[in-house]
Amino acid sequence: DTAVSQTPKYLVTQMGNDKSIKCEQNLGHDTMYWYKQDSKKFLKIMFSYNNKELIINETVPNRFSPKSPDKAHLNLHINSLELGDSAVYFCASSYQGQYEQYFGPGTRLTVT
Amino acid sequence: AQSVTQPDIHITVSEGASLELRCNYSYGATPYLFWYVQSPGQGLQLLLKYFSGDTLVQGIKGFEAEFKRSQSSFNLRKPSVHWSDAAEYFCAVGDDAGKSTFGDGTTLTVKP
Repeated sequence: DTAVSQTPKYLVTQMGNDKSIKCEQNLGHDTMYWYKQDSKKFLKIMFSYNNKELIINETVPNRFSPKSPDKAHLNLHINSLELGDSAVYFCASSYQGQYEQYFGPGTRLTVT
Repeated sequence: AQSVTQPDIHITVSEGASLELRCNYSYGATPYLFWYVQSPGQGLQLLLKYFSGDTLVQGIKGFEAEFKRSQSSFNLRKPSVHWSDAAEYFCAVGDDAGKSTFGDGTTLTVKP
């Protein structure tokens, strides 16, 4: 059983399009995260949700909107995609207070 | 704000040789410290963590790390490296709000 899963694994799209990435965890965790990893492998947190409530929102363009329908799911919707959005996006989850995070396999987004 | 520095961008070791990856952190209180490993095309996997107590912590795959408060360091070690250890290694520091800040990573290459 996959602990943290993301779909799709690869996403190729054109500038200006809108796309979504889905994340699901079956670990029973109450906190979920989105990270962006750029081409130099630098990893930056974007958002964090605890029990469906936004608790961390780093400096991310408004074009990025996370949605958490329940504590096992955290989706990321991106509007008006730009070339600079090309990256690998990782979802992660944890128990609040324990801090170690479990990562999904990543979604490689390529904007052309 | 917390920060993490991994001074070595790239390290090459021979198979069977010992390994030490350096990590320095900046955080005002007692830090929560982690080492993660990322194999090519994969998500991050937790190797080990330090919250409190014994400053030498053991992790998976034969790795260990030592917390040195006086040096603000949390270096990762392995006595004998295997070819399968070739990967990207990330040090991270977590705060009381559950936010983890990652270092820029160290790429490990293992020579046969």
